[in-house]
Amino acid sequence: QVQLVESGGGVVQPGTSLRLSCAASGFTFGSFGMHWVRQAPGKGLDWVAVISNDEIDTYYGDSVKGRFTISRDNSKNTVYLQMHSLRTEDTAVYYCARDTLGYGGMSDYWGQGTLVTVSS
Amino acid sequence: EIVLTQSPDFQSVTPKEKVIITCRASQSIGSSLHWFQQKPHQSPKLLIKYASRPFSGVPSRFSGSGSGTDFNLTISSLEAEDVATYYCHQSSTLPRTFGQGTKVDIK
Repeated sequence: QVQLVESGGGVVQPGTSLRLSCAASGFTFGSFGMHWVRQAPGKGLDWVAVISNDEIDTYYGDSVKGRFTISRDNSKNTVYLQMHSLRTEDTAVYYCARDTLGYGGMSDYWGQGTLVTVSS
Repeated sequence: EIVLTQSPDFQSVTPKEKVIITCRASQSIGSSLHWFQQKPHQSPKLLIKYASRPFSGVPSRFSGSGSGTDFNLTISSLEAEDVATYYCHQSSTLPRTFGQGTKVDIK
């Protein structure tokens, strides 16, 4: 079955960097786009970024554009989110989710999330 | 960016009661509207895709309708396990967006 496992979260100071990983299994990873979505404590869902199955296309939400980079390694069945210049408002649980297409579909399966806390 | 507005924000209902949640898009999105359920301390789970198509394994009491700008999620007979926050989500354009959520509780 489809499984997505995020890792890499933790407590970091404002202005620093962090890289999240999402390990996928149970499907042909290289055939599907991947998303990152976040959820601040007690708040709603905030879409962050998407990457196409072939790594050619990416798109970011306005709140992270220029600071976050989504990438993937199809040989390792893993998608990454590199986060720079972290702000307190980036504190959230970060979920990865599978796209139903190579790019441009909708998210069907989600991981359990990893918590990022940005605090001094 | 497409804005999705859900109503109500909160609904408290008795077991077996019918629940209807509405999602309105700021511009037409065809049928590219999906519904997720998020139970406390869990990740979101897909319920309905493309406005009206139930996802695999979803109980038949959940149904969706609508197109263009106005969409509904209906729970025909609420069960205790349906206590959750429900989100609509559009995949018509980038950036993807979500509604603010509707919390459903048991009276």
